[in-house]
Parts: sequence; C-alpha cells; structure tokens
Amino acid sequence: ELKVEQNPLFLSMQEGKNYTIYCNYSTTSDRLYWYRQDPGKSLESLFVLLSNGAVKQEGRLMASLDTKARLSTLHITAAVHDLSATYFCAGDSGGSNYKLTFGKGTLLTVNP
Amino acid sequence: KAGVTQTPRYLIKTRGQQVTLSCSPISGHRSVSWYQQTPGQGLQFLFEYFSETQRNKGNFPGRFSGRQFSNSRSEMNVSTLELGDSALYLCASSMNTEAFFGQGTRLTVV
Repeated sequence: ELKVEQNPLFLSMQEGKNYTIYCNYSTTSDRLYWYRQDPGKSLESLFVLLSNGAVKQEGRLMASLDTKARLSTLHITAAVHDLSATYFCAGDSGGSNYKLTFGKGTLLTVNP
Repeated sequence: KAGVTQTPRYLIKTRGQQVTLSCSPISGHRSVSWYQQTPGQGLQFLFEYFSETQRNKGNFPGRFSGRQFSNSRSEMNVSTLELGDSALYLCASSMNTEAFFGQGTRLTVV
C-alpha cells in the first residue's frame, strides 16, 4: 500500500527567501501530483510529474521527481505572501485507475 | 471549459439521517473519484468510478456508497450519519494523467 510523507508540515518563511518541501513515497508511484489548497477552498492542481528526472516550473514554484529515491520536491523561490497556502503531494499507483494517496500537507505561511 | 461541479456546497444533517452528494465531472472525463477531508485524518480516498463501474474502494464502512451514471455524473451516499462524518467531501474528475477537483461539499452532522 502506497504511503506518502511530506515534510515539513509547517513552514513559516519570510518574503524573498527560498525553501523546499519534501515528499517521500513508499512504493512505486506512476504519477506524482502537487496541489495547493487555500483555507476553505478546494484543491488546485499545480503539477503532475510522470517520469524520473521530471522537472516542472510555474512562476516561483518548481517541482521535481526522483523515482529511484522515491522523492519529489517542491521548491519555492523568492517567496511572496500570495504563496501562503497548504501544499499537498499525492502519489498514484498508476495504470488507468485514479486512486490518489495524499501526504498530510505543508502549511506554508509567508510573512512580509 | 466548465470545471468539476459539486452540489450542494453546504449541508447540515442530523445523526442517523442519510445524505446524497452529487458531482458532475469535466465534459469528456469518465473517471470520477471521491475523497473525504478532515482535520484529523487529512485527505482519504473513498472510491473511484469509471464508465458506471466502481474500480477502486477505500477503507470506509459500507455506510458510504456511490454510483455513476451513463453521463459520468456521480453521486455518493452516506447512510446513518455519525458525527465523525462531518467533513469536506471532494470529487475529482480525471482523464489521462490529470485529476481536477471540484469545490467540495461541506457536510456538518449535528
């Protein structure tokens, strides 16, 4: 059974700083997802990573996947207040089925 | 293009009652999955439907059930509600590698 662990669970950072959120998973995962959730809202899709070495970037966020280490990272560059949210990674055992196993989430607070 | 639509957005029910939640996926998406989100347990998979067939089921009691119609719309039902069923219920619409979530239904059981 796939297990997904994120760390840190809480992250308070200053605007302009860089930081990385880590996502480890226990068994083979064909797809690795990153989502953002604002308080009281749904999950907004950020990235889907499909293969070893995959790297995707959108604005100040960059996600990467190392399938051999079973590790994905979400790197935040020069954080701004608008990035404050909870970030989730999720693994998927793959094939044509969609059964996502989520990490506990990282609550990111960016302080001015 | 229209996103994933969940109705209703909010519900308040009494213990012992039953509830039905609805999810309309993105046009052309045939996979619909459901998740429960609570502060204590986080996001947990309930079940997934594809072409009216349940393909996967999570570790929830039989009080939680679902179905999918020929137009890919899905419903989930929770019978004999318990206080612990209070949660945000999210559905996801999937095709190829993407999984997009609806706004959720917030269920409060009193």
